[in-house]
Amino acid sequence: AQTVTQSQPEMSVQEAETVTLSCTYDTSESDYYLFWYKQPPSRQMILVIRQEAYKQQNATENRFSVNFQKAAKSFSLKISDSQLGDAAMYFCAYRSRLSGSARQLTFGSGTQLTVLP
Amino acid sequence: NAGVTQTPKFQVLKTGQSMTLQCAQDMNHNSMYWYRQDPGMGLRLIYYSASEGTTDKGEVPNGYNVSRLNKREFSLRLESAAPSQTSVYFCASSEGPGPSYEQYFGPGTRLTVT
Repeated sequence: AQTVTQSQPEMSVQEAETVTLSCTYDTSESDYYLFWYKQPPSRQMILVIRQEAYKQQNATENRFSVNFQKAAKSFSLKISDSQLGDAAMYFCAYRSRLSGSARQLTFGSGTQLTVLP
Repeated sequence: NAGVTQTPKFQVLKTGQSMTLQCAQDMNHNSMYWYRQDPGMGLRLIYYSASEGTTDKGEVPNGYNVSRLNKREFSLRLESAAPSQTSVYFCASSEGPGPSYEQYFGPGTRLTVT
């Protein structure tokens, strides 16, 4: 079974600064997807960014980018120019590409990000 | 578009009571999911429906039943609620069942079982 570990329960960053959230995962599969989800106080889960394991290039979405290290099974999220609206719980998640098991997202325990004005 | 809607937003049950959580999506998605989120943890899959007419167990299905009423609606039933089912429940939907399809989440239902 796959596991996802987020070792930083809480992080804080000054507005306009850069912060990196860490995520490691364990799997025996070679083909999968990795995700970062954001959960603001409204509780709505919002997809931030997605990485396909077979793509070597790191995914980017505006101020959000990832550092995907497949051999190390590491998938960190970098938020540049942090804004007050970035304050939220961030979850790292894994999903296999294999059929049969492809429906299940496995989530980490989350990192609570505070943005300081 | 409303996206994924869930009712109710909050619910308090006594042990042994039953209830049904409702979920509807207006995006014409084929696949729908029910997750639970416990304090300090990520979401865990309870049941999913890859397409209308099919349902399958996820990671934590015990104590729950589901019904895919039609393409839009996917309900979760607790037949005899237990305090261990106190949690926040999320419904999600996606265009297809594979991992390349983004899952869209509802706002959640906070359930307390006393």
